[in-house]
Amino acid sequence: AQKVTQAQTEISVVEKEDVTLDCVYETRDTTYYLFWYKQPPSGELVFLIRRNSFDEQNEISGRYSWNFQKSTSSFNFTITASQVVDSAVYFCALTGNYGGSQGNLIFGKGTKLSVKP
Amino acid sequence: DTGVSQDPRHKITKRGQNVTFRCDPISEHNRLYWYRQTLGQGPEFLTYFQNEAQLEKSRLLSDRFSAERPKGSFSTLEIQRTEQGDSAMYLCASSGGTGNQPQHFGDGTRLSIL
Repeated sequence: AQKVTQAQTEISVVEKEDVTLDCVYETRDTTYYLFWYKQPPSGELVFLIRRNSFDEQNEISGRYSWNFQKSTSSFNFTITASQVVDSAVYFCALTGNYGGSQGNLIFGKGTKLSVKP
Repeated sequence: DTGVSQDPRHKITKRGQNVTFRCDPISEHNRLYWYRQTLGQGPEFLTYFQNEAQLEKSRLLSDRFSAERPKGSFSTLEIQRTEQGDSAMYLCASSGGTGNQPQHFGDGTRLSIL
C-alpha cells in the first residue's frame, strides 16, 4: 500500500529562522512522483514542486529547497529565512505510475507552519 | 489563463437532501480529479476522469455519490441523501498530459450538513 507520513503536526518559528518539514513515504512502485503543496489560510492548494523517483538531485528555488533521499524514502522541504507569508499547511503527496494508482495523489496529513514576526 | 473554478463555494443543507457541485477545470486539461478534505487531514482521493471517461473510483465513494463529466469539460459531483459525515471540503483538481503532471486545485466547495 502507498502511504505518506508527515510526523510534524505543527511547527512554530520566528521570522528569519530556517525550518525543515519532514516527509516519509511508502510505495512498492519503482516509478513514482512526489509533490509538495502549500495550503494557506485562504484554502486553495498551491503546487510547489514535483520530483520523480529517478531524479535524486536536490532542488533549490529561491528560499525553498527539497532533499530527496530514496534510501530513506524521504522528501524533506526546507524554507530558509522564513517569512510570515510562509505560514500555511504544507502537504507532501505521492502518486504511482503503475499498479492501478493512475495518477491520483496520496497526501500526508500536513504540517501546519506558523511563522511569527 | 483561468484556474480551476468550483461552484458553489459553500453549501449548507439539511441531512437527507441531495446536493450537486460543479467544477470547471483549466481548459486544456484532460484529467479532472475530485478529492474530499476534512478538518486537520490531507485531501483524500474520490474519483478521476480522463476526458469524459471515469477511470478510477475510491472506496470512499459510496453509492450515494456520483460524478459525471459529460463532454470532457466541466464535471459535477452529486451526493444523494446527505449524512452528517459528508460534511467536508470537496476539492476539484485538473491536470494535462499523463497522470503524473502536477494537479492544479480549485478553491473547493465546503459542505455543511445541518
